[in-house]
Amino acid sequence: QQQVKQSPQSLIVQKGGISIINCAYENTAFDYFPWYQQFPGKGPALLIAIRPDVSEKKEGRFTISFNKSAKQFSLHIMDSQPGDSATYFCAASMVIKAAGNKLTFGGGTRVLVKP
Amino acid sequence: DADVTQTPRNRITKTGKRIMLECSQTKGHDRMYWYRQDPGLGLRLIYYSFDVKDINKGEISDGYSVSRQAQAKFSLSLESAIPNQTALYFCATSDTNVGPWYFGPGTRLTVL
Repeated sequence: QQQVKQSPQSLIVQKGGISIINCAYENTAFDYFPWYQQFPGKGPALLIAIRPDVSEKKEGRFTISFNKSAKQFSLHIMDSQPGDSATYFCAASMVIKAAGNKLTFGGGTRVLVKP
Repeated sequence: DADVTQTPRNRITKTGKRIMLECSQTKGHDRMYWYRQDPGLGLRLIYYSFDVKDINKGEISDGYSVSRQAQAKFSLSLESAIPNQTALYFCATSDTNVGPWYFGPGTRLTVL
């Protein structure tokens, strides 16, 4: 079973609109929550990330909202542009041992921004 | 990211064949990971290595093995490929416990 559940699987938004992607997790050992953006033929690339002691983080048009008590977090893409068309993955990281962490991904959301 | 390279980029093979996917990085990171991407399932961790002498199984390691030849090289092997191993495979590196994780461009593997 997936430890990080992501929805929706796909969404279509008009240029200038808001894209919202939601994720939920169960394991409270997760302590770092990044979002990755992937274009066709490329590997995922870090978009924005948040720690659970912060409820919101904004970078440009991208905002993460985090609800620790509900174990949910979301990505908002404001003023969506055709260039934002990509697959977005939420992820959660936990410490495995002193040497490093393990990153667990949600199932991904394919976003299409129509001009 | 050109700092993480994967070879081959595409591979078609037959059931039962042994195949090796290679990953090299010039970032100087100790931590390296192999992930598999399937539609709707996101990326799932196959193996990870926190240094040359530390190799660990991930969630879906059955049917796979790895070798960490050097800090910069981490190879994934399929000893006897089967069709449900058809997927996109990504190598990633990180240098801290909170990443970011840097992903290679991926290898598209098809097992017939």
